[in-house]
Amino acid sequence: GDSVTQMEGPVTLSEEAFLTINCTYTATGYPSLFWYVQYPGEGLQLLLKATKADDKGSNKGFEATYRKETTSFHLEKGSVQVSDSAVYFCALSPSGDSWGKLQFGAGTQVVVTP
Amino acid sequence: KAGVTQTPRYLIKTRGQQVTLSCSPISGHRSVSWYQQTPGQGLQFLFEYFSETQRNKGNFPGRFSGRQFSNSRSEMNVSTLELGDSALYLCASSLSSEWGYTFGSGTRLTVV
Repeated sequence: GDSVTQMEGPVTLSEEAFLTINCTYTATGYPSLFWYVQYPGEGLQLLLKATKADDKGSNKGFEATYRKETTSFHLEKGSVQVSDSAVYFCALSPSGDSWGKLQFGAGTQVVVTP
Repeated sequence: KAGVTQTPRYLIKTRGQQVTLSCSPISGHRSVSWYQQTPGQGLQFLFEYFSETQRNKGNFPGRFSGRQFSNSRSEMNVSTLELGDSALYLCASSLSSEWGYTFGSGTRLTVV
């Protein structure tokens, strides 16, 4: 079945450091890919998305490129801030009628220190 | 525009009871899905409704059920609650797969 694997955390960084969170997936067909962010005590917020191969999603300085050849969707940010401390989830939405069944990775906690 | 609204935010129930959680999606969104989030199992898909029909279902026991009304509002019900049902239950709605899902703030269920 479909699955998402992302790097374990916590990832601890200093402010202004470069952030990368690796995400790989297994799926049939052509899924859509997403990154969500969750702050303490809150639901999930959509950070960025990509719906086909080679698409680059970007938002708030974060970027991720849909790489079908390596089945990856790594999240990057060039200069993190303390406010980026949160848990980040990589997710896929299968193609076809199963698109409503999001499959999530385990989540990666990111801690940014001043 | 209004987001996805889940009620109640917090709930404490006793083992063996049943509970109903409510979700109001973004206006115009016909797909509503439910997820259970726990520290041990992470985010797990419960079920998805589209135009009042259950379109997809996760691997949860029959104690977990849901429904969607003609105005797209959705409810999920858990009967015969167990301690292990303590979790954050998240509802999400979507217009289409390309747009992704918008999540509510969740209902924190504690079973004692």
